[in-house]
Amino acid sequence: GESVGLHLPTLSVQEGDNSIINCAYSNSASDYFIWYKQESGKGPQFIIDIRSNMDKRQGQRVTVLLNKTVKHLSLQIAATQPGDSAVYFCAENSNSGYSTLTFGKGTMLLVSP
Amino acid sequence: EADIYQTPRYLVIGTGKKITLECSQTMGHDKMYWYQQDPGMELHLIHYSYGVNSTEKGDLSSESTVSRIRTEHFPLTLESARPSHTSQYLCASSRLAQTGELFFGEGSRLTVL
Repeated sequence: GESVGLHLPTLSVQEGDNSIINCAYSNSASDYFIWYKQESGKGPQFIIDIRSNMDKRQGQRVTVLLNKTVKHLSLQIAATQPGDSAVYFCAENSNSGYSTLTFGKGTMLLVSP
Repeated sequence: EADIYQTPRYLVIGTGKKITLECSQTMGHDKMYWYQQDPGMELHLIHYSYGVNSTEKGDLSSESTVSRIRTEHFPLTLESARPSHTSQYLCASSRLAQTGELFFGEGSRLTVL
């Protein structure tokens, strides 16, 4: 079936580096994508979203890029900090009519001081 | 901080027991959800609700049931717990018009012996 998945299960970076977390999706009907951050012992937290009529959207220290041609989504975190250590999930709205999200497998980001 | 609360945070029970996981939100959100998440894995939607007296089954089949008698309250019940129900259960809510930004509780981690 349709799915959303991540390329890298674990990403280790040094504090201050830029991080890039990737996500591939397979449902060409998806038109809305969201990144969530989940810290240990907590529920996921919304980071940033992007609609399919955009290629790029920037937030505070984060940028989401969408490449619809290859069905690829990425989250860039600038000047990564230890507090960014968490599992990151991409999610997509599948337009099934029920307006529910499909979450992909997470990528763990480990930031070393 | 999102105003959505789950109790209990941790529960260890024996097989065959009936349990109810509580979820309450004070944001006045119409939509509420229950996700199941195994450690390090993606979130799977098991139930959701559009509002009072509305309940729908999610993508992942579950033996649990839910009810929505009040807007702020969305409890999940397992009539007879089994070891296969061991997992983390995450409750979330969102505004009807905004399906991407879900506000999650901190989760209820259930262990069935």
